[in-house]
Amino acid sequence: GAGVSQSPRYKVAKRGQDVALRCDPISGHVSLFWYQQALGQGPEFLTYFQNEAQLDKSGLPSDRFFAERPEGSVSTLKIQRTQQEDSAVYLCASSLARQDYGYTFGSGTRLTVV
Amino acid sequence: AQKVTQAQTEISVVEKEDVTLDCVYETRDTTYYLFWYKQPPSGELVFLIRRNSFDEQNEISGRYSWNFQKSTSSFNFTITASQVVDSAVYFCALKSNSGYALNFGKGTSLLVTP
Repeated sequence: GAGVSQSPRYKVAKRGQDVALRCDPISGHVSLFWYQQALGQGPEFLTYFQNEAQLDKSGLPSDRFFAERPEGSVSTLKIQRTQQEDSAVYLCASSLARQDYGYTFGSGTRLTVV
Repeated sequence: AQKVTQAQTEISVVEKEDVTLDCVYETRDTTYYLFWYKQPPSGELVFLIRRNSFDEQNEISGRYSWNFQKSTSSFNFTITASQVVDSAVYFCALKSNSGYALNFGKGTSLLVTP
């Protein structure tokens, strides 16, 4: 597609519910990133994929967070047993190659845990 | 450890005024990259500029200009003759040459009023 597409745009989850957030990167982009942006803060790195390989997951805040990119294109960020502190905008970004820092960001998924 | 500080939380200017957004960074790396992104109300992060640590030339792009000074670890962003459409949150970010993550500052919210 023309840009990075994320769905859903908004998600309201009850505390304890599992959620899955989807990211469709730009076709052919090798690198894919997930960021978490709390209200009034800058985005914080969660995890990085190069094709289907998850090369860095150091930013995932707990083992309730899990990301995958099984075929090297679409990625899913899953959060199990959601808690109120998980409420944030989750941003996905992709870039053409490992050394290409021209990241393109999606519009994000706003997750609200009630 | 890497850190980006944007000391200005909010700035309000009247249209046609010039405005400078400050960014100070900390890193032990000798090779690194600095970025500025714009985040309009729609939520996506829009790439504005990337500068590597070996290129201290200042850059001008239309009404935008950037002043990179390694001696003071600063990478400031100036908008000349501001316009209402410049209203957004602006983020400065830092990336090391060896890592994957962009480290963002907390952002500066710019409001340009007619």
